[in-house]
Amino acid sequence: GDSVTQMEGPVTLSEEAFLTINCTYTATGYPSLFWYVQYPGEGLQLLLKATKADDKGSNKGFEATYRKETTSFHLEKGSVQVSDSAVYFCALSALNQGGKLIFGQGTELSVKP
Amino acid sequence: GAVVSQHPSWVICKSGTSVKIECRSLDFQATTMFWYRQFPKQSLMLMATSNEGSKATYEQGVEKDKFLINHASLTLSTLTVTSAHPEDSSFYICSAPTGGTYNSPLHFGNGTRLTVT
Repeated sequence: GDSVTQMEGPVTLSEEAFLTINCTYTATGYPSLFWYVQYPGEGLQLLLKATKADDKGSNKGFEATYRKETTSFHLEKGSVQVSDSAVYFCALSALNQGGKLIFGQGTELSVKP
Repeated sequence: GAVVSQHPSWVICKSGTSVKIECRSLDFQATTMFWYRQFPKQSLMLMATSNEGSKATYEQGVEKDKFLINHASLTLSTLTVTSAHPEDSSFYICSAPTGGTYNSPLHFGNGTRLTVT
């Protein structure tokens, strides 16, 4: 079945460091891909999305490009801030799944001043 | 933006009792609601999909008699954990798509932390 695999955390970075969180997926057909973020004590929020190959989603300085050839959707940010500390979830949604999301295991990011 | 209100945010109950969790879509009609469960340091696992006016669809391995889901209106879905036991302690999250397509983002409630003693 469809699945999403993320790099394991926790990831600890210093402020202004470059961030990459790897995400790869397995799916039949052409899923839509999402990154969600969960700040401490809060629910999940959509960070960005891409709906077809080569699309780039971006928001709040974060970017991810839908790479069909490598079945990847890696999350990147050029300069992280302390306020970016959160858990990041990669997810996919496929047409034959009725809109439900399949999540990766989440990657905890901790940014130190 | 679209808001999903989930209540309560936390609840402690005794083993054997039932707990009801409510999710309301505040500014849109949620014909579908997804219910997830999240264990500490783990991902969200889909439990069931509820559709307004029809029976919920449960994922494999989820006990439908234990986790009762009702979606009686376009703005309210409820999850009732019946005869709760300590192993049911978890973080429960509801979510609903605001669009009609499979690539519509989901809007999540803030979750309910259930502790069964």
